[in-house]
Amino acid sequence: SQQGEEDPQALSIQEGENATMNCSYKTSINNLQWYRQNSGRGLVHLILIRSNEREKHSGRLRVTLDTSKKSSSLLITASRAADTASYFCATAPSGSRLTFGEGTQLTVNP
Amino acid sequence: DAMVIQNPRYQVTQFGKPVTLSCSQTLNHNVMYWYQQKSSQAPKLLFHYYDKDFNNEADTPDNFQSRRPNTSFCFLDIRSPGLGDAAMYLCATQPLGREYFDEQFFGPGTRLTVL
Repeated sequence: SQQGEEDPQALSIQEGENATMNCSYKTSINNLQWYRQNSGRGLVHLILIRSNEREKHSGRLRVTLDTSKKSSSLLITASRAADTASYFCATAPSGSRLTFGEGTQLTVNP
Repeated sequence: DAMVIQNPRYQVTQFGKPVTLSCSQTLNHNVMYWYQQKSSQAPKLLFHYYDKDFNNEADTPDNFQSRRPNTSFCFLDIRSPGLGDAAMYLCATQPLGREYFDEQFFGPGTRLTVL
């Protein structure tokens, strides 16, 4: 089974609203990463949060990490139509390589 | 700009006809990965190179092979494509000295269609 699982599978919002996506994982991690994938394209790295960090910001992105609950959330504030994409969390269980979750498909309606 | 390039972006092949996908990078990264991604699914790691050391995932079919003739280039060979091999194939790189769990840099992908 996947190390990371995103929730919800799909999210549709209006431009200007905030979007929140969640990721849960199973084993201890060194860090957790979020990637974005536009339709038919490769993945783009958004943000990395280390296991000893609880929150991280990058522009309109805010990521939180709760290692006790083995979960993370990605918040996109003031969403834009251009934010429409699939968002994947990725984790690397100790000594292993990155494993991606199934992703959340975000649609931002103009 | 430094980047990861994949060619072609779209590849159509016939059932059973060998096909090669290519990836090149100008980042001078030592680690290169090949992923298979089917529609609405997570990318699945097929194999990776750490420099010239090849590392195959346990569940990667024998039908998939890879070559890395130098730091810049990596190839994915599918010896006898089946209909189930139709997917997006993603190449990614990672810098030397980083751990496996650090950031990866992806190319735009090659969409493979098998007729």
